[in-house]
Amino acid sequence: QVQLQESGPGVEKPSETLSLTCTVSGGSIRSQYWSWVRQSAGKGLEWIGRIYGSGRIHYNPNLESRVSLSIDTSQYQVSLKLFSVTAADTAIYYCARDRPYYGSGFYKYNGMDVWGQGTKVTVSS
Amino acid sequence: DIQMTQSPSSVSASVGDSVTITCQASQGVSTWLAWYQQKPGKAPQLLIYSASTLQDGVPSRFSGSGSGTDFTLTISSLQPEDFATYYCQQANTFPLTFGGGTKVE
Repeated sequence: QVQLQESGPGVEKPSETLSLTCTVSGGSIRSQYWSWVRQSAGKGLEWIGRIYGSGRIHYNPNLESRVSLSIDTSQYQVSLKLFSVTAADTAIYYCARDRPYYGSGFYKYNGMDVWGQGTKVTVSS
Repeated sequence: DIQMTQSPSSVSASVGDSVTITCQASQGVSTWLAWYQQKPGKAPQLLIYSASTLQDGVPSRFSGSGSGTDFTLTISSLQPEDFATYYCQQANTFPLTFGGGTKVE
């Protein structure tokens, strides 16, 4: 049973870099896709980006200039860095196992089936 | 970005009622649509993927339909544990996008 646990600083200062980690347990990290999603009162659920175990990455273009995803398969961790944070980045940040399936000439999508409990981030001086 | 518009934004219902939530995409997303349930203080939970496939362990009173731009989530006989907020999400085109949510109260 795959489980995800996010961790982070709780509070980050404006203009600083937010660093979050998602630790994967109970399953493989390599052959899976992992998405980050955040939820704020003003903007609902917002997809940040997705990383595959091999390192292939897709970012939300709306955040791409400020975000970096990485994966450490030896530590079973997926990491998110968000640069130059502002109050608008205050949110609960979730990691989730994402299930796109890219076959030979076809594509399927099976949803985000496992989520962490989320880590709350407040950007404030 | 593909905009996902859910309606209604909230619905009042009673135990035993049938509830239908709609999700409209600003452009076609084929059947690459998922539905999630979220309770206060908890992460979203996958209910349905590929527009109509029930996730393992989800009760059969939940069903989904649609393709292209118009989708529905139906709860056939509302149970006490179903009072929550529901979100649709498209995965046809990057960036993945979510609807604004429908609160069932």
